[in-house]
Amino acid sequence: GAVVSQHPSRVICKSGTSVKIECRSLDFQATTMFWYRQFPKQSLMLMATSNEGSKATYEQGVEKDKFLINHASLTLSTLTVTSAHPEDSSFYICSAPDPGLDTQYFGPGTRLTVL
Amino acid sequence: TQLLEQSPQFLSIQEGENLTVYCNSSSVFSSLQWYRQEPGEGPVLLVTVVTGGEVKKLKRLTFQFGDARKDSSLHITAAQPGDTGLYLCAGVGVGNEKLTFGTGTRLTIIP
Repeated sequence: GAVVSQHPSRVICKSGTSVKIECRSLDFQATTMFWYRQFPKQSLMLMATSNEGSKATYEQGVEKDKFLINHASLTLSTLTVTSAHPEDSSFYICSAPDPGLDTQYFGPGTRLTVL
Repeated sequence: TQLLEQSPQFLSIQEGENLTVYCNSSSVFSSLQWYRQEPGEGPVLLVTVVTGGEVKKLKRLTFQFGDARKDSSLHITAAQPGDTGLYLCAGVGVGNEKLTFGTGTRLTIIP
């Protein structure tokens, strides 16, 4: 079946550095992908919608200059956390809808820890 | 802002018991999905309900979509330890693909 992958699965970085997370749809093309953030023991919160070939759409309260999103191809979206701080430590999850099946597939998530 | 409240937030019961998780909103959704998430992994889709009043069964799990498409419930019969996990409902907005996730229900089944 359709699969969405994320890389890396875990990353630890120092405060002030930037981290890039990749989200790939392996079996289908996705013109849209979604990025979520999940803090411990909480639900998923939508951060932004990644649109292939155009600018991402950010949810209210999400800083677009801090969370850079690039959707360069129909199978890849990247989220870059710039100048990361400890409060950015979280579980980041992407999803991609498969239009042909009218469903969304979620990646396995990336655990970011900022020291 | 569309909000989905789940209840209970936490539930710990003995193996073999039945349980119901509720997902409520004041907003109408085009469809509603239920996911289960294991620690350190992404959520996995269990079911999608589309029609108001719809009932879907998945083995020991029964999902219902409210008549007004604002709420849903998940009922598990004869719960097993393998049912342990975080259960999330998610509403699909009318006219878009964005998902609004519920607050989550952390279920623990005690052997």
